[in-house]
Amino acid sequence: DIQMTQSPSSVSASVGDRVTITCQASQNIDNWLVWYQQKPGKAPKLLIYAGSSLQSGVPSRFSGNISVTGFTLTISSLQLEDFATYYCQQANSFPLTFGGGTKVEIK
Amino acid sequence: EVQLVESGGGLVKPGGSLRLSCAASGFTFSAYSMTWVRQAPGKGLEWVSSISSAGSYIYYADSLKGRFTISRDNAKHSLYLQMNSLRAEDTAVYYCAKVLHRQQLDDAFDIWGHGTLVTVSS
Repeated sequence: DIQMTQSPSSVSASVGDRVTITCQASQNIDNWLVWYQQKPGKAPKLLIYAGSSLQSGVPSRFSGNISVTGFTLTISSLQLEDFATYYCQQANSFPLTFGGGTKVEIK
Repeated sequence: EVQLVESGGGLVKPGGSLRLSCAASGFTFSAYSMTWVRQAPGKGLEWVSSISSAGSYIYYADSLKGRFTISRDNAKHSLYLQMNSLRAEDTAVYYCAKVLHRQQLDDAFDIWGHGTLVTVSS
């Protein structure tokens, strides 16, 4: 199975800050990496698919990047509504696997 | 409006069974693969099972060891998860989700239901 390692597990930030979350796969997944946002008591929301494609309706302050060191989700200027938990997921092969999550908290 | 609505969750004793349902509306259900994802209380997301648009291809998480069965009825726009031999560790909110792209099986999930809570306890 492909293991997905997310870091950090939590981050404290202020409104307006730039926040970057990293996800690494234990095997090659090409660009088949997905990012979700989840708020307490709610279902996950799709943000980014195929590593860097922004889902329709998602604000442009969210971006996904692919590099030799892994995948990153960046929020360019954190807004109040962005405080949530973020998960990565590999969509390369079954079994599909998620990262452990990154909680973005208010500083 | 594209919507998924789960039902069938509840309290069940260890060793018991439960059947979850997911009613889809607002999109061509028969054209998309579907999946179940669960989330134990206070924990992360865990993929459970996926089924292709026509039901020809099915995948399960290894941890389920044959206890769960996914199925769909395209005529009824519904997805199901039959859960047998339930254990305390199966306690979770179960979400059904739709894949983003037609005819794709391993994919991002763009539409999620609100989830249904399954509690396994004596």
